[in-house]
Amino acid sequence: GQNIDQPTEMTATEGAIVQINCTYQTSGFNGLFWYQQHAGEAPTFLSYNVLDGLEEKGRFSSFLSRSKGYSYLLLKELQMKDSASYLCAVVDSNYQLIWGAGTKLIIKP
Amino acid sequence: ETGVTQTPRHLVMGMTNKKSLKCEQHLGHNAMYWYKQSAKKPLELMFVYNFKEQTENNSVPSRFSPECPNSSHLFLHLHTLQPEDSALYLCASSQETGTYNEQFFGPGTRLTVL
Repeated sequence: GQNIDQPTEMTATEGAIVQINCTYQTSGFNGLFWYQQHAGEAPTFLSYNVLDGLEEKGRFSSFLSRSKGYSYLLLKELQMKDSASYLCAVVDSNYQLIWGAGTKLIIKP
Repeated sequence: ETGVTQTPRHLVMGMTNKKSLKCEQHLGHNAMYWYKQSAKKPLELMFVYNFKEQTENNSVPSRFSPECPNSSHLFLHLHTLQPEDSALYLCASSQETGTYNEQFFGPGTRLTVL
């Protein structure tokens, strides 16, 4: 079967750095998305990786290793507004999105 | 209006009621999706429409009935629901299916079935 694993919850301090991991086992691979979802709001796009390596976008970076079935989202200079759930999703061989259950990130002052 | 909108935002219904959820996208996309989001569980894809044609029905019970009159509008008709159907129902759109295109989500309808 297809499976996406990410931690259920993480806690970090304002101003610090946090890394949210995502491992996957899917039927084929056509890229990996990270979305952010604040409580009661729509998920919003953060990043898309299809090649190995690190993609940096401001305070957020996303890394992919296809051989290891592994990705992480790195958030730097954490702000209180970064408190949200972070969803990892893989595009499989049929171009269907396979979703993880999300990681709830709690930022403390 | 911009992006993807959903109405109502909150809905409480009894098991014998009939109600409908509405989604509208203002992005010129051709694909629309219904997802169910339950606490601490992955998003569950329910239905997919591409150019108004239904392309996916992931074994969803018949008490959920989708309708897509055009590429901008999507409905989810609900009848004789069960308490376990209580969840956040998200609508999304993308340029089309069969690609890696980013999906754009609406804010969801929080459904409570009593």
